[in-house]
Amino acid sequence: KQEVTQIPAALSVPEGENLVLNCSFTDSAIYNLQWFRQDPGKGLTSLLLIQSSQREQTSGRLNASLDKSSGRSTLYIAASQPGDSATYLCAVNSGNTPLVFGKGTRLSVIA
Amino acid sequence: GAGVSQTPSNKVTEKGKYVELRCDPISGHTALYWYRQSLGQGPEFLIYFQGTGAADDSGLPNDRFFAVRPEGSVSTLKIQRTERGDSAVYLCASSPSLGGPHNEQFFGPGTRLTVL
Repeated sequence: KQEVTQIPAALSVPEGENLVLNCSFTDSAIYNLQWFRQDPGKGLTSLLLIQSSQREQTSGRLNASLDKSSGRSTLYIAASQPGDSATYLCAVNSGNTPLVFGKGTRLSVIA
Repeated sequence: GAGVSQTPSNKVTEKGKYVELRCDPISGHTALYWYRQSLGQGPEFLIYFQGTGAADDSGLPNDRFFAVRPEGSVSTLKIQRTERGDSAVYLCASSPSLGGPHNEQFFGPGTRLTVL
């Protein structure tokens, strides 16, 4: 059974810092991995999707990497801003199954 | 174009009551998923549909929960005899097809259910 773990559970950084969020999964037989953002009381916004054949994806200040063989992904946020404050969720897709999510990392960027 | 929509956005009910939560997927998406998210947790799978049929309902917690998608588009999640433990955010997602390496799910804003 696939299990997804996100570390740290919460993170507080000053504005302008670069930061890394970690995601690990137990079964490396995945099709893709998605990173989502969730603001309080809101739904999920997809940030990046990495196919199993890819090593990384970039969108603006965000960069997500995938090491499928070791069961790890990282989300790198450059030059963090207060507007980046949210919960970041990692989810894996193993094919004809629903997404399996981690519990998320709650990020606070302090001005 | 329009994304996934869910109604109501908030629902407060009393223990023992019946509730229905609605999901309108992105037009043309054949796969539809329901997840439940408790406070401080990631979303957990409940049920998903390919077209009109439930492809997998193994995530439904018990027989008080039921979902339908009669015409292969809109879906309704139904909860009978609600309990306080049912309080959570119920998320719906859709994707162009079921499974496959390029399958990406698009989520709605969720329905926050509170059972008093």
